[in-house]
Order: sequence, then structure tokens, then C-alpha cells
Amino acid sequence: EDQVTQSPEALRLQEGESSSLNCSYTVSGLRGLFWYRQDPGKGPEFLFTLYSAGEEKEKERLKATLTKKESFLHITAPKPEDSATYLCAVQGYTRDGNNRLAFGKGNQVVVIP
Amino acid sequence: IAGITQAPTSQILAAGRRMTLRCTQDMRHNAMYWYRQDLGLGLRLIHYSNTAGTTGKGEVPDGYSVSRANTDDFPLTLASAVPSQTSVYFCASSDSGLDGGELFFGEGSRLTVL
Repeated sequence: EDQVTQSPEALRLQEGESSSLNCSYTVSGLRGLFWYRQDPGKGPEFLFTLYSAGEEKEKERLKATLTKKESFLHITAPKPEDSATYLCAVQGYTRDGNNRLAFGKGNQVVVIP
Repeated sequence: IAGITQAPTSQILAAGRRMTLRCTQDMRHNAMYWYRQDLGLGLRLIHYSNTAGTTGKGEVPDGYSVSRANTDDFPLTLASAVPSQTSVYFCASSDSGLDGGELFFGEGSRLTVL
């Protein structure tokens, strides 16, 4: 069974204070590791897909990295609008080829002005 | 705007009643999914469908049923609702290519069972 553990559960940051979110995973054959952003009352919004160890992707103040056992989401000089819950998910190989994702419980980030 | 539409956005339901949550996508994606999201438990897969006419069970399928009569629609039915089914339900879709791919989510349906 695919498993995803995210830490810390909650994080309060001062505006401009960089930090990192951790996602550790176990999966029987990794097809992809995904990061989503979720705002209160909204559906998850896709951020990144990482496919192999050593891969990195960036979008504005966010940078995602991947190793064989974990992924990090680095938030550089965050702004209040970066406040959200960040969800990590893994997609493993399945017998029927389905793309279903197994999610972690999320990292709730609050950026204080 | 292309995407996923869920209805209703919010519903309060008496225990024992039947309820169908509707989901429609206009991206012509082959695969569709239903997840539930609960505080402290994260997103858990209920049912999925690879293509029209096929469905599969996810992590927490008991008490729920789905059908996939066509590509665009994937309704979720609670035959006899119970309070433990109080949750926020998200429908999602994806291409079903062998390379995998991201899931696109709707805005959710908040269901309260009393």
C-alpha cells in the first residue's frame, strides 16, 4: 500500500522567512510525485510533478525536489498569499494502469505579514 | 472555462436518506475519481473509473456506489446515508495515459449527515 507522510502538520512563517516542507513516501514503483495547493473551501490545485530522484521544479517562490524516499517543497521569501495547505501525493504503478493518487494529510502554512 | 463541475456545493441530509453527488467534466478525460476529505485524515479515494463503462474500488468504498455511463459524468451515490459519511467530497479527472498525469479537481461538495 502506498503511503505518504507530511511534516510539519502546521507551520507559521513571517513574511520573507524561507522554510521547507517534507513529504516522505513508500510506493511500489513510483510513476510520479505530485504537489498540490489547497485554499480553504476550494479543491486542490496542481503545482508540480516530479518523476525521478534528483529532479527539481520551480514556480515563483516554490521549489520542489525529489529523492528516492522523500520530497521537499521549499518556500523562498514567502508572502501572505502563499498561505495554504500543501498536499503531497504519489502515483504508483497499478495493474489496471489507473492514475489514482495516494495523498498525505497536508502541510498547513500560514504566512504572517 | 474547462474543468469539473460538482453539485450540490453543500447539502444537509437526514440519516437513512439516499443522496447522489453529481460530477461533470468537459476535458474529455478518460479517468475520473471520487475522494473524500476529512480533518486529520486527508484525501482518501472512494471509487474511480478508467473509462466509460468501468469502475473500481478505492481505499474507502463501503456505503458508496458509482456509475460511468459516459465520458463526462461520474455520479456518486450514498444509498442510505450515515453520520460517518459527513465529509467534503471531491471529484477529479485525469488522462489515462501510461505515463501517468496530474488529477484535476472540482471545488467539492460539503455533505452533512444528521
